Amino acid sequence: AQTVTQSQPEMSVQEAETVTLSCTYDTSENNYYLFWYKQPPSRQMILVIRQEAYKQQNATENRFSVNFQKAAKSFSLKISDSQLGDTAMYFCAFRYNFNKFYFGSGTKLNVKP
Amino acid sequence: EAQVTQNPRYLITVTGKKLTVTCSQNMNHEYMSWYRQDPGLGLRQIYYSMNVEVTDKGDVPEGYKVSRKEKRNFPLILESPSPNQTSLYFCASSRGGEWTEAFFGQGTRLTVV
Repeated sequence: AQTVTQSQPEMSVQEAETVTLSCTYDTSENNYYLFWYKQPPSRQMILVIRQEAYKQQNATENRFSVNFQKAAKSFSLKISDSQLGDTAMYFCAFRYNFNKFYFGSGTKLNVKP
Repeated sequence: EAQVTQNPRYLITVTGKKLTVTCSQNMNHEYMSWYRQDPGLGLRQIYYSMNVEVTDKGDVPEGYKVSRKEKRNFPLILESPSPNQTSLYFCASSRGGEWTEAFFGQGTRLTVV
């Protein structure tokens, strides 16, 4: 069975600072894909970043980057220069087969002015 | 505009009264899914579909039905809703290929009293 664990239910960060959200997963699969989704108060699910497991290079998207450690099954999200608009729930997700997505329980991030 | 459209966005109903939540996508995606989101549990997959007339159970299918008669539509049916089905529901679609992300609808907040 595939599981995704986000051990930080809630985090806070000051505007302009850097924050890291943790995610670990458990799988016996070798080829899979990892995603971070953002859910602002509007409830819309927005893709932040994705990582292919076969790629060693960590993905980056502007202020968002990941630290992917395949052996440790860890996939953390780093947000640099945090902005008020980054306040949201963040979900880590894992996909390995067709349409099977597994999501973590989420981390609620609060960016303080 | 590429989108996944769910209706209604909010619904309050009584126990046992059949209801349908509609989902439509205009991206010609093969794969569509339904999820429910509950506090502390993240998103859990209810059903998914790999193409027209091809559906399969996700992790929490009890009490739900789906159908996929057309590629663009994937309705979720609750034949006899119960209070434990009170939740936030998301429809999602994606193209074939494990590296592609899921595109989500706006969510349906369902309350069963």
